[in-house]
Amino acid sequence: QSVLTQPPSVSAAPGQRVTISCSGSSSDIGDSYISWYRVLPGTAPQLLIYDNNQRPTGIPDRFSGSKIGATGILDITGLQTGDEADYYCATWVGRLTAAEFGGGTKVTVL
Amino acid sequence: QVQLQESGPGLVKPSQTLSLTCSVSGGSITSHSHYWSWIRQPAGKGLEWIGRFHGTVDTNYNPSLQSRVTISRDTSKNEFSLKLSSVTAADTAIYFCARAPSNSWEAFDIWGQGTVVTVSS
Repeated sequence: QSVLTQPPSVSAAPGQRVTISCSGSSSDIGDSYISWYRVLPGTAPQLLIYDNNQRPTGIPDRFSGSKIGATGILDITGLQTGDEADYYCATWVGRLTAAEFGGGTKVTVL
Repeated sequence: QVQLQESGPGLVKPSQTLSLTCSVSGGSITSHSHYWSWIRQPAGKGLEWIGRFHGTVDTNYNPSLQSRVTISRDTSKNEFSLKLSSVTAADTAIYFCARAPSNSWEAFDIWGQGTVVTVSS
């Protein structure tokens, strides 16, 4: 059972926007940065966002991240069929000296 | 360009020790600029961080696995290894090695392709 809570699934039509939340506490997300990953079937996770709101080189600006208190948010705008995947948040939990992932959110493009 | 590649047996018997290696090319595992981790994903389930090392000394493990996990490194081969003892079916998963910058511990920016390990008699 992860300390980070994500909705199991979200969906939207092509071109629309989806928002994925990652809820934690003051002792995990609230005290650290959050990253977001996309996992396509049969492939390794891909880093989409790090340090709450930074995009690695090559990640389009359709993907954006933010953090308010102990909740992280991933926004995907201009949804495409290729965005159908599982999305995970992650943070470093200092009190555990460990990285923690959220339970994952499945994005479906209607 | 840094690349990671996992290798090891795809089948391990229950109660035995799972052993995997991650070969790193294009970068040095002794660099203090990065942490090197093992992460797994059981079929149909989420990602689970197993542990990491930094440079030549610092090592951290997931508290839930700490009693069974050892991560070691071979600097001469530029590779690092995972040993997980007393395995059960619950340890069946895709195992990934990954890299994170020293200033962003949860930002795993480069991953291996993953290797499937099945625990079964």
